[in-house]
Amino acid sequence: QGLLVESGGGVVQPGRSLSLSCAASGFSFSDYAMHWVRQAPGKGLEWVAFISHDGIEKLSTDSVKGRFTISRDDSKNTLHLQMNSLRPEDTAVYYCATGGDYGDYYFDSWGQGTLVTVSS
Amino acid sequence: EVVMTQSPATLSASPGDRVTLSCRASQSVSNNLAWYRQKPGLPPRLLVYDASTRVPVIPARFSGSGSGTEFALTISSLQSEDFAVYYCQQYDKWPFTFGPGTKVDF
Repeated sequence: QGLLVESGGGVVQPGRSLSLSCAASGFSFSDYAMHWVRQAPGKGLEWVAFISHDGIEKLSTDSVKGRFTISRDDSKNTLHLQMNSLRPEDTAVYYCATGGDYGDYYFDSWGQGTLVTVSS
Repeated sequence: EVVMTQSPATLSASPGDRVTLSCRASQSVSNNLAWYRQKPGLPPRLLVYDASTRVPVIPARFSGSGSGTEFALTISSLQSEDFAVYYCQQYDKWPFTFGPGTKVDF
């Protein structure tokens, strides 16, 4: 697929909110399921949230449930992640990724990531 | 939650070597298993999905195998760009989970 560009990362205090965006181009965004995957500094990969191509189905990992909300705006080819009540353990590079051509739940194309640091 | 383990944690090899990386799931994930390569400072890149289907742009030296709980990624002849960290990921059951990674270095 084409290009994914994340934005919105930064330094935020614990308990505050942050909104991430992922701008998609070069492919038919509305045809693809989308995900957020994060990677804490020096650590492995952790899947965070999923949204189906039509926006109807949403899933998230338990550690962010009730705090993070994934959404999409197909008119703007943009994926969002609203992060509330942030914790130090949410510190990570956040990647957006597409689902695959033949399956929604593996991660085909990835953005370059945006760093979120939760610290007082 | 399906727990993924990978072995070895680190694999020392040389260019031209044939290497096999292992991935194990704590319960059957059928063939719903993907492999990724991540170079330092870059996002991961999908290599294989459905356990053995190579992404078309990925070189043929990469091959995936296995089903159920035991999986492998074989690189037939290591190239310089293959010295990286490799992750397996199951997508049979939510939450989708990754292994801790295998680092392939000199």
